[in-house]
Amino acid sequence: KAGVTQTPRYLIKTRGQQVTLSCSPISGHRSVSWYQQTPGQGLQFLFEYFSETQRNKGNFPGRFSGRQFSNSRSEMNVSTLELGDSALYLCASSREWGQGYEQYFGPGTRLTVT
Amino acid sequence: GQQVMQIPQYQHVQEGEDFTTYCNSSTTLSNIQWYKQRPGGHPVFLIQLVKSGEVKKQKRLTFQFGEAKKNSSLHITATQTTDVGTYFCPGGSNYKLTFGKGTLLTVNP
Repeated sequence: KAGVTQTPRYLIKTRGQQVTLSCSPISGHRSVSWYQQTPGQGLQFLFEYFSETQRNKGNFPGRFSGRQFSNSRSEMNVSTLELGDSALYLCASSREWGQGYEQYFGPGTRLTVT
Repeated sequence: GQQVMQIPQYQHVQEGEDFTTYCNSSTTLSNIQWYKQRPGGHPVFLIQLVKSGEVKKQKRLTFQFGEAKKNSSLHITATQTTDVGTYFCPGGSNYKLTFGKGTLLTVNP
């Protein structure tokens, strides 16, 4: 079974630009979560989607948004990039939220904002 | 999400020494999961504990869930350099896992 894939793996953007990251979950997984990881703040939850619906959102500004498609693939978008948005963005998929359903992480997208 | 405090934040050991990291919650947990992230890698699921007092083993790793389901521990016997990484025990509720900073384990060969 193929794992979670994320594209692109590396990205360099300029302050003020916007970026879209993509995540393809494991086949059959309908829940997709996104996380931001930085050395200072650790691994922080961005949002979770299930059947194209956002079920929870972390404490990030509105510049961070996401969506999920009918095939469970998900994208996240960051508009008006800031230097502080430089981070590793991870997505994770699971069959469903709840007891017994572990999350499988993708390799991440390393975003650098200059 | 549920807040789970993890200690220590850092641990450096000599290869062959044992290592333990602890997770504590102020509220009762329905379950707890453990993940490991190698340097430069992504978090990988290790195990999930569900029952009060549950103990599970994976080779040199022993996971415990407290009787009150408010704490958990991961014990590694005779650490190896392959054990290097950050270990997380995220708290979860309402479709959200709160990871925190985990415990970074380094092993001196």
